[in-house]
Amino acid sequence: DSGVTQTPKHLITATGQRVTLRCSPRSGDLSVYWYQQSLDQGLQFLIQYYNGEERAKGNILERFSAQQFPDLHSELNLSSLELGDSALYFCASSVAYRNTEAFFGQGTRLTVV
Amino acid sequence: SQELEQSPQSLIVQEGKNLTINCTSSKTLYGLYWYKQKYGEGLIFLMMLQKGGEEKSHEKITAKLDEKKQQSSLHITASQPSHAGIYLCGADPRGVSASGSARQLTFGSGTQLTVLP
Repeated sequence: DSGVTQTPKHLITATGQRVTLRCSPRSGDLSVYWYQQSLDQGLQFLIQYYNGEERAKGNILERFSAQQFPDLHSELNLSSLELGDSALYFCASSVAYRNTEAFFGQGTRLTVV
Repeated sequence: SQELEQSPQSLIVQEGKNLTINCTSSKTLYGLYWYKQKYGEGLIFLMMLQKGGEEKSHEKITAKLDEKKQQSSLHITASQPSHAGIYLCGADPRGVSASGSARQLTFGSGTQLTVLP
């Protein structure tokens, strides 16, 4: 158990809908990262937050947004969902924002039908 | 952007055999991370290598970082079925983005390891 908690574990929704994925980082970790893993794209970095502020942006679509709350949990919002958004979404956390290992949650499997 | 190439893409070995997985970067490696993933599950952190020539071991898994070759290798000794999974290397591109924010990990496409009993 990495200490990073993601909910829900599975999500099935229809195209055009909006969903929210939640991540609770390890106790004491200030940095949260979101990744998307799909069969054709592999593991792709989406966005990083550190202590409530956005620190880095990767291949995140405009239809996606995220935030980190004062209690350090983070949410990833996916809207206007398309079939191609079906993937495993991982959250990871680390103590600092560089040069430290990141610990991953179990992921949320999103299926868009 | 930094690209990581892993080889082989998949590997099937008999239990008890040794094996090596390689991760080669298109750019200078400043930090290299190895993770293991069971299909459809989360990533388990294995090791982080930060300096050239650094070598770390955990149980039967050893990882090395060769800065000059921009490469890292993961070696498993006397493999067991519990070693089966997808091994991913991730790199830490040094420096900051245009927005001044910090690092983001870039991952290789993974090596699927199957260990036959």
